[in-house]
Amino acid sequence: ETGVTQSPTHLIKTRGQQVTLRCSSQSGHNTVSWYQQALGQGPQFIFQYYREEENGRGNFPPRFSGLQFPNYSSELNVNALELDDSALYLCASSLGQSSYNEQFFGPGTRLTVL
Amino acid sequence: EDQVTQSPEALRLQEGESSSLNCSYTVSGLRGLFWYRQDPGKGPEFLFTLYSAGEEKEKERLKATLTKKESFLHITAPKPEDSATYLCAVFNSGAGSYQLTFGKGTKLSVIP
Repeated sequence: ETGVTQSPTHLIKTRGQQVTLRCSSQSGHNTVSWYQQALGQGPQFIFQYYREEENGRGNFPPRFSGLQFPNYSSELNVNALELDDSALYLCASSLGQSSYNEQFFGPGTRLTVL
Repeated sequence: EDQVTQSPEALRLQEGESSSLNCSYTVSGLRGLFWYRQDPGKGPEFLFTLYSAGEEKEKERLKATLTKKESFLHITAPKPEDSATYLCAVFNSGAGSYQLTFGKGTKLSVIP
């Protein structure tokens, strides 16, 4: 069974640029959630995709957008990067949306905005 | 708004010195409380889910308990490999959004 994978591992961008981060969910999982984790903080919920539809969004501006594909892999896109976007971006997959379905996290993508 | 507060922020223990980490929460209708372990630069690793007050779960040297207002993660006779940040999160399914709300974590250091 393959776990959650994310790419790239590290990324350096400059202010105003756009970035795309990718996530492959664990085999059989149809739900993907994205989180932003700033240094020394807990992860913050960005949004969730369930069967290719956005299914809930945290307190993040519209320049954070996403997609989920038929194979349940997912992308997180961030436009007009700001310095405060520097963080570890985590993807978590689960089978379904309820709390009875554990969310398994990938290793994350470390984004640095200069 | 759901809130999760973890204490202490950091904890240093000697190897073998047992202790507890605290997670207090404010949530409208708890649907699950989760504990994760996170090593530096890595994603959180699932440890436990607790659903109702009085529930307890154990895994090796770790034991998680839940009351109506807080959860404790007890670490018995810790080893240096238990050093990590321990995150607590509550599950929210309000307003059609299924998400985990995390605390800031407790950074545990176990000294040989």
